[in-house]
Amino acid sequence: EDQVTQSPEALRLQEGESSSLNCSYTVSGLRGLFWYRQDPGKGPEFLFTLYSAGEEKEKERLKATLTKKESFLHITAPKPEDSATYLCAVQARSGYSTLTFGKGTMLLVSP
Amino acid sequence: SAVISQKPSRDICQRGTSLTIQCQVDSQVTMMFWYRQQPGQSLTLIATANQGSEATYESGFVIDKFPISRPNLTFSTLTVSNMSPEDSSIYLCSVVRQGIGTEAFFGQGTRLTVV
Repeated sequence: EDQVTQSPEALRLQEGESSSLNCSYTVSGLRGLFWYRQDPGKGPEFLFTLYSAGEEKEKERLKATLTKKESFLHITAPKPEDSATYLCAVQARSGYSTLTFGKGTMLLVSP
Repeated sequence: SAVISQKPSRDICQRGTSLTIQCQVDSQVTMMFWYRQQPGQSLTLIATANQGSEATYESGFVIDKFPISRPNLTFSTLTVSNMSPEDSSIYLCSVVRQGIGTEAFFGQGTRLTVV
């Protein structure tokens, strides 16, 4: 069974204080690992897809990296508007294009 | 990306009643999915909505409780039947675009409270 574990559950940062969120996964053949951002009362917003170990992707202050067992979402010099819940999900190579999600990391960036 | 309109955005319902949630996509998509997000929990897949055939349900979810329609390639509905307070949750419609990647996009969700 595919599993995704995210840590920490919650993270509080000062504006400008860089940090990383972790996503550990087990999957029977990884097709893709996805990062989403979710604001309160809204659906998840797609951020990145990573397909193979060693791959990295960047978007503004966010950088996602992937190994064979985990992914990191690095946040450089965060701003209050980066406050949200960040979700990680994996998609297995077999079967449908369904996703298995972690519980998310709730990030709060204080000014 | 895909523009996904989900209605209603929220509702408060009496136990024992049913609520139908609509999902409209701005273009044809092959695969549509319905997820549930309970408070403090991860998103859980309810079912895959198949156009022209019955939905495919995940373990723990049954058609009598969550009937799904998919009349065409841009629209689907999820009904939450005979509701109880345990059904209070956010329900999300999702579509997958089979392009360069297989990214899934989500509607804004329906926040359901059953009293």
